[in-house]
Amino acid sequence: DSGVTQTPKHLITATGQRVTLRCSPRSGDLSVYWYQQSLDQGLQFLIQYYNGEERAKGNILERFSAQQFPDLHSELNLSSLELGDSALYFCASSVGSAAEAFFGQGTRLTVV
Amino acid sequence: KNEVEQSPQNLTAQEGEFITINCSYSVGISALHWLQQHPGGGIVSLFMLSSGKKKHGRLIATINIQEKHSSLHITASHPRDSAVYICAVQSGGSQGNLIFGKGTKLSVKP
Repeated sequence: DSGVTQTPKHLITATGQRVTLRCSPRSGDLSVYWYQQSLDQGLQFLIQYYNGEERAKGNILERFSAQQFPDLHSELNLSSLELGDSALYFCASSVGSAAEAFFGQGTRLTVV
Repeated sequence: KNEVEQSPQNLTAQEGEFITINCSYSVGISALHWLQQHPGGGIVSLFMLSSGKKKHGRLIATINIQEKHSSLHITASHPRDSAVYICAVQSGGSQGNLIFGKGTKLSVKP
């Protein structure tokens, strides 16, 4: 158990809908990272937050947004969902930006 | 051409064999990570290294910065080592901003 908790584990929703994925980092970790793993693109970095502030942005679509709350948990919001958004979404956390990250178990999103 | 290339894509080994997975990259990096992803999907960070060699149990990771190459070795392989091994490079200061290889699927037969 990495100490990073992601909910829900599985999510099935229809095209056009909006979903929120939640991540609770390890106790004491200030950085949270979101990644997407799809069959055709593999793993891709989406976005990083550090202590509530956006720190780095990767291949995140405009339909997607994230935030980190004062208690350091983070949410990834995906809207106007398309079939191609079906993927595993991972959250990871670390103490700081230069430290090793620990991954959650992922949320498997299926858009039908 | 991908910025991070792994070889082989698939690897089948007999229990007890010595295994090597290779990773080459084309960008400047501050660190390289080896990750393990089990069939259930969960990802575990195995190593984070920026130079030299690290060892953890039966796993050894090496990196040659000049040649832009890293290897992951598994000694005395076991069926429980069956997983996808992913190489990822950190090209900026942020640990999380990683560029991932496509992974090597390892199957160890008893």
